Amino acid sequence: GAVVSQHPSWVICKSGTSVKIECRSLDFQATTMFWYRQFPKQSLMLMATSNEGSKATYEQGVEKDKFLINHASLTLSTLTVTSAHPEDSSFYICSARVPAEGVNEQYFGPGTRLTVT
Amino acid sequence: LAKTTQPISMDSYEGQEVNITCSHNNIATNDYITWYQQFPSQGPRFIIQGYKTKVTNEVASLFIPADRKSSTLSLPRVSLSDTAVYYCLVGAHNTDKLIFGTGTRLQVFP
Repeated sequence: GAVVSQHPSWVICKSGTSVKIECRSLDFQATTMFWYRQFPKQSLMLMATSNEGSKATYEQGVEKDKFLINHASLTLSTLTVTSAHPEDSSFYICSARVPAEGVNEQYFGPGTRLTVT
Repeated sequence: LAKTTQPISMDSYEGQEVNITCSHNNIATNDYITWYQQFPSQGPRFIIQGYKTKVTNEVASLFIPADRKSSTLSLPRVSLSDTAVYYCLVGAHNTDKLIFGTGTRLQVFP
């Protein structure tokens, strides 16, 4: 199946700094990628839809100036958490759908564990 | 997107068949039902998708009654490695956006 990678797998940063997380589709092109956040013992929460070559679409309640998304190519989307605070500590997961007929299946990255101290 | 309701948790033993039911009373005509599996600290993994009746693949079966207001994921002969959270999602086939519900935490005991 299609592979989505994320980098880094985990990161620790100090409060007030910014952190960039990369999401790559390794063997397919993805015009659309998605970013989720997941707190411990909770479900995934969709943060935004990343569109190649255009602005991201954010879900209600997600601050677009705090979570900057850039989808510069068909295989790479980045999420930058700006001025991170301890409450931003979470598991961030990206996904992409393989454009194909039939099953509407999304492939998820392995996730990035962010800890803000 | 249709809201889904699943049991919060389920327990089973190795070798047993596990059935997880999901309710989606407001499912729309063009909605499909998809199940994902998630292990701790990993991204979700697609298990199966269906529209009506029964779908089977190498890991699971999906049963959907005629009214499509519910669906049941069936895992035959579970093993310890099937311990995970299982999510039921409902949405249009050509809709990229996935909205996850609470999921069902399955614990398999030896």
